[in-house]
Amino acid sequence: GNSVTQMEGPVTLSEEAFLTINCTYTATGYPSLFWYVQYPGEGLQLLLKATKADDKGSNKGFEATYRKETTSFHLEKGSVQVSDSAVYFCALRGSSNTGKLIFGQGTTLQVKP
Amino acid sequence: DSGVTQTPKHLITATGQRVTLRCSPRSGDLSVYWYQQSLDQGLQFLIQYYNGEERAKGNILERFSAQQFPDLHSELNLSSLELGDSALYFCASSSTEGQGSRYTFGSGTRLTVV
Repeated sequence: GNSVTQMEGPVTLSEEAFLTINCTYTATGYPSLFWYVQYPGEGLQLLLKATKADDKGSNKGFEATYRKETTSFHLEKGSVQVSDSAVYFCALRGSSNTGKLIFGQGTTLQVKP
Repeated sequence: DSGVTQTPKHLITATGQRVTLRCSPRSGDLSVYWYQQSLDQGLQFLIQYYNGEERAKGNILERFSAQQFPDLHSELNLSSLELGDSALYFCASSSTEGQGSRYTFGSGTRLTVV
């Protein structure tokens, strides 16, 4: 079945450091890929998405490129801020018609001043 | 405000009890999804309804059930509660089931079983 694997956390960085959170997936067909962010005490917010191979999703300085050849969708940001501290989830939505999301286990990011 | 409303926000109950979580989807959305977020299992898909009909089931326990009503709101019923059912329960909605449809999450209901 479809699955998503994220790098283990927590990830601790200093402000303005470069961020990479690795995400790989297993899926049949052509899934859509997503990054969601969960700030402390809050729900899930869509950060960015990509719906086909080689698409790049971007938002708020974060980027991720849908790489079908490596089945990856790594999240990157050039310069993190303290306000980026949150839990980040990689997810996929399969090409079936049910529309359910399959999530990775989440990666906690802590950015220190 | 995402447009998806979940009530209550917090719920504390005892083992063996039954609770009902409610979700009102974003206006115009026909599909409702329920997810469970727990420390040991992560974020797991439970069940999906589309325009009143069950469409997909995930790792939902037999003690749990759900339904979607004609006004499109949904309820998740959890019975014979165990300590391990303590989790954050999210509802999400989308206009259709297709990959391209917008998917919106509510802020969740935190269930604590004591």
